Amino acid sequence: QLHLQESGPGLVKPSETLSLTCTVSGGSITSYNYYWAWIRQPPGKGLEWIGTIYFFGSTYPFSKITYNNPSLKSRVSMSVDTSKNQFSLNLSSVTAADTAVYYCARLISGSGQFFWGQGTLVTVSS
Amino acid sequence: QSALTQPASVSGSPGQSITISCTGTSSDVGNYNLVSWYQHLPGKAPKLIIYEDNKRPSGVSNRFSGSKSANTASLTISGLQAEDESDYYCCSHAGSHTWVFGGGTSLAVL
Repeated sequence: QLHLQESGPGLVKPSETLSLTCTVSGGSITSYNYYWAWIRQPPGKGLEWIGTIYFFGSTYPFSKITYNNPSLKSRVSMSVDTSKNQFSLNLSSVTAADTAVYYCARLISGSGQFFWGQGTLVTVSS
Repeated sequence: QSALTQPASVSGSPGQSITISCTGTSSDVGNYNLVSWYQHLPGKAPKLIIYEDNKRPSGVSNRFSGSKSANTASLTISGLQAEDESDYYCCSHAGSHTWVFGGGTSLAVL
């Protein structure tokens, strides 16, 4: 059964980089037709899609392509560690507005189905 | 890319039906058959209940149904039960591999 678990610091200082990792179990991160996403929810607000990463190719090293929310501009980067079945999020130059519960999710892009982890709260504060 | 518009809250009595709307634009909701809905209890992982506008994943009660007209999608819950009390979010593809969510609707079962 697929399970996603977010991990990372719960407190980040302003102007620093927020780094989170999502560990996937019960399925391979290199499985065909699956994308891997980050979504967040600021306190008292709705959900916001952050970005998605997709792997393709039949052999290692796999090619990857990322798609980011334009509102976050170039602050977002995503990476993957296929040996650990993990993917990661880096969000640079954080401010208090980046305080949120961060979720990782698997996306079946052709049908818009997101399958979510439980989320982790990250607070930006000095 | 603006958030989809949902009512902040809706309520209903057990056994009744309620509908939650999700309004977007011709660039997202109205342009793709890729609206999904999620049930979200605080502290838990959001759960998919509707995808591709009106399809139900295996295991989701047939009391949940989705529909769409132009730029507005809707989630209807029939035969309301106390366990349906939750937050509900819509999501739509917005072109170029981007996604947009709604602001969420809190459902109270009175």
